[in-house]
Amino acid sequence: GAGVSQSPSNKVTEKGKDVELRCDPISGHTALYWYRQRLGQGLEFLIYFQGNSAPDKSGLPSDRFSAERTGESVSTLTIQRTQQEDSAVYLCASSLVPSLNTEAFFGQGTRLTVV
Amino acid sequence: AQSVTQPDIHITVSEGASLELRCNYSYGATPYLFWYVQSPGQGLQLLLKYFSGDTLVQGIKGFEAEFKRSQSSFNLRKPSVHWSDAAEYFCAVAPLNQGGKLIFGQGTELSVKP
Repeated sequence: GAGVSQSPSNKVTEKGKDVELRCDPISGHTALYWYRQRLGQGLEFLIYFQGNSAPDKSGLPSDRFSAERTGESVSTLTIQRTQQEDSAVYLCASSLVPSLNTEAFFGQGTRLTVV
Repeated sequence: AQSVTQPDIHITVSEGASLELRCNYSYGATPYLFWYVQSPGQGLQLLLKYFSGDTLVQGIKGFEAEFKRSQSSFNLRKPSVHWSDAAEYFCAVAPLNQGGKLIFGQGTELSVKP
């Protein structure tokens, strides 16, 4: 596609429910990143994919968070048993390869509100 | 551990005035440094990056940044601010050999007065 697409753009969920956030990277981009942006804070790295493997998942805050990627395409970030502190904007980015020499392009994010 | 500090949470400047946004980093080796801008309703956009070489880097939209190793700083500047520059600005450092992941500062929100 023309850019990184994330869905839904907004999600309100009840505490304790599971949510799935979707990211469609730019076609041909092998690297995909997930970040979290809490209100008034910078972006926190969560996980990145090279193809469908995740070499670095060090930023996932707890075992309630998981992510998967199908080939070099769509990625899904799943949060189980959501808590109020999970409320944030979840941003996805993709780049041609997982290298600092290639620019990462960001989606507009999914705003998650846990009530 | 690597970290980025943006000391100013919010800055207001008049249109046409000059701008400097501060960024300090903590990283053991030569850092790869970035500035991103996030406008309302938009995704993050890369303004400029520093990898090596000339310590003054030029970016898009008339922005520039200067890498100062002695001060561990990478401040963003613009000589004359336009109303459309109102946005949130993020400084980031990229650790080497970690797949291109970025460590971001907390951001500086820029407001522009007419």
